Amino acid sequence: GAGVSQTPSNKVTEKGKYVELRCDPISGHTALYWYRQSLGQGPEFLIYFQGTGAADDSGLPNDRFFAVRPEGSVSTLKIQRTERGDSAVYLCASSFSLGETQYFGPGTRLLVL
Amino acid sequence: QQQVKQSPQSLIVQKGGIPIINCAYENTAFDYFPWYQQFPGKGPALLIAIRPDVSEKKEGRFTISFNKSAKQFSLHIMDSQPGDSATYFCAASLSSSGTYKYIFGTGTRLKVLA
Repeated sequence: GAGVSQTPSNKVTEKGKYVELRCDPISGHTALYWYRQSLGQGPEFLIYFQGTGAADDSGLPNDRFFAVRPEGSVSTLKIQRTERGDSAVYLCASSFSLGETQYFGPGTRLLVL
Repeated sequence: QQQVKQSPQSLIVQKGGIPIINCAYENTAFDYFPWYQQFPGKGPALLIAIRPDVSEKKEGRFTISFNKSAKQFSLHIMDSQPGDSATYFCAASLSSSGTYKYIFGTGTRLKVLA
């Protein structure tokens, strides 16, 4: 597609469950970023990848959060033992390379009950 | 030092007015300042961006003014339209230092009255 796509668009889960959120970057973009946006706030950085490797995961809040990008394209953000405080919009962005402008997807709205 | 402070939190203008949104930062190492527009239920979309070696940049009806000494930058929307009603975020990054994450402001909710 022309832009960054994210699936699912909405996810409702119960406290304690495991969830996976998928991001498909713009074709040809080597850098991929994950952000989390709480209601009424700006996006907060979680992790970014250059190719297959996580270049900076300093924004991941704890070890329940993990992200992979095994083939350097699609990425999956994984959240274990979800908590109500994890409810937010999870945004993915990609750029042609690190340092270039980041283009965002529509986000996945996660609600943990 | 990593914060970007954005104001106002919300803004209402009449059609044709020129809303101005301000951002301030502390870290002088920031070297890239993009502005994003976000509609409800959508992801942020890039509007315009500036680097600190210029004081102003215009793209269509959107202008960024940059004051390096004051560590402030602002977005001006000329001839604002009801379709500009959205939330606007400023951001900053330190791309030249090998850190590519964006630090976002808290957002400004703009409403343009018809």
